[in-house]
Amino acid sequence: DTGVSQDPRHKITKRGQNVTFRCDPISEHNRLYWYRQTLGQGPEFLTYFQNEAQLEKSRLLSDRFSAERPKGSFSTLEIQRTEQGDSAMYLCASSFQGTTGNTIYFGEGSWLTVV
Amino acid sequence: SQQGEEDPQALSIQEGENATMNCSYKTSINNLQWYRQNSGRGLVHLILIRSNEREKHSGRLRVTLDTSKKSSSLLITASRAADTASYFCATANTGNQFYFGTGTSLTVIP
Repeated sequence: DTGVSQDPRHKITKRGQNVTFRCDPISEHNRLYWYRQTLGQGPEFLTYFQNEAQLEKSRLLSDRFSAERPKGSFSTLEIQRTEQGDSAMYLCASSFQGTTGNTIYFGEGSWLTVV
Repeated sequence: SQQGEEDPQALSIQEGENATMNCSYKTSINNLQWYRQNSGRGLVHLILIRSNEREKHSGRLRVTLDTSKKSSSLLITASRAADTASYFCATANTGNQFYFGTGTSLTVIP
């Protein structure tokens, strides 16, 4: 049983560059979430998908952030024109949306450092 | 902004003691979950309690939920050094979007 997989685990990029993170959820899970976490803070909700539909994206931090889940399986989170303030850990999580409440399972995160 | 707030922000106890941390939230919830995070790692699910439940146990963990006070508590009994981590509560609204608090940093001293 594989868990949520994120790639890359670490990324160092220069300010102004674009970065993309990939998330492979648990295979039978239909919901996929992206969070951002900075040091000493809890995860901050960004967006989520049910299958391929992006149901909430108003909390994406700016129009430089975008996420896709084209076939309802893996997802990508892209940050364009990175800024130093984007340095954080980006967490992906997945769940199976049922009628009795669902548990979300997290990946190990992708660390982004913008220099 | 995050919906849940944990209290205390930091807790230091001796091994073998019990650790209690609290979570308060603001709006109606579908369920509340507790997670643990070791430094630099992802979050690990500990326990889920639904809005119609008042108490739940799992091993050395005991969770309570008081929806009238919009609060929950997590009790870890007979703590171990390996319990050292940050603990977060996450609340799920009717849309099943999950929002996390700022966490309690627990240190268990051997």
